Amino acid sequence: KNEVEQSPQNLTAQEGEFITINCSYSVGISALHWLQQHPGGGIVSLFMLSSGKKKHGRLIATINIQEKHSSLHITASHPRDSAVYICAASYNNNDMRFGAGTRLTVKP
Amino acid sequence: EPEVTQTPSHQVTQMGQEVILRCVPISNHLYFYWYRQILGQKVEFLVSFYNNEISEKSEIFDDQFSVERPDGSNFTLKIRSTKLEDSAMYFCASSEDRNYGYTFGSGTRLTVV
Repeated sequence: KNEVEQSPQNLTAQEGEFITINCSYSVGISALHWLQQHPGGGIVSLFMLSSGKKKHGRLIATINIQEKHSSLHITASHPRDSAVYICAASYNNNDMRFGAGTRLTVKP
Repeated sequence: EPEVTQTPSHQVTQMGQEVILRCVPISNHLYFYWYRQILGQKVEFLVSFYNNEISEKSEIFDDQFSVERPDGSNFTLKIRSTKLEDSAMYFCASSEDRNYGYTFGSGTRLTVV
């Protein structure tokens, strides 16, 4: 079964803290996506990766293919980072399975 | 920055009515997708579209659903006879290549009453 599991479900942090969100998937994938969903509902694609590590500003995404695990890190977190972060796995590059999301709240 | 545009942002329809949700993908993108998110639940894949045909569809995408690229710029999702359980946020996305990142539209909130 192509399940994607995320943890934690909810995360509250103080401004400036280093944040890690974890994602695991059950079978081999072609790519792993990290998405950000804001309170209004819009979805922004943050990363798409199939190996190694990617960095964009304060965001870093890593993937370990052998362990079927990915992490999203946010350095120097800020209240504007507050959103739901969703991990999604592409299978055969077309079908995509989504995790339930991690609701992040960063307090000033 | 190029955007994927979805219209309308919110649609209310009576049960049994047909609805068409519209999307304008980024102009040089070749792969198109529809997803839905029922309130409080995970985002779910509905269908992917490439080269004027469906390339993959989920078990949700039954005969009530269809997609079309009628004029080379719009990408539409039609629900033939809406049910209460079709109420959800519907997202369109596009990508230049299936190995590249996706760009999502801002969604259409469909409410079936």
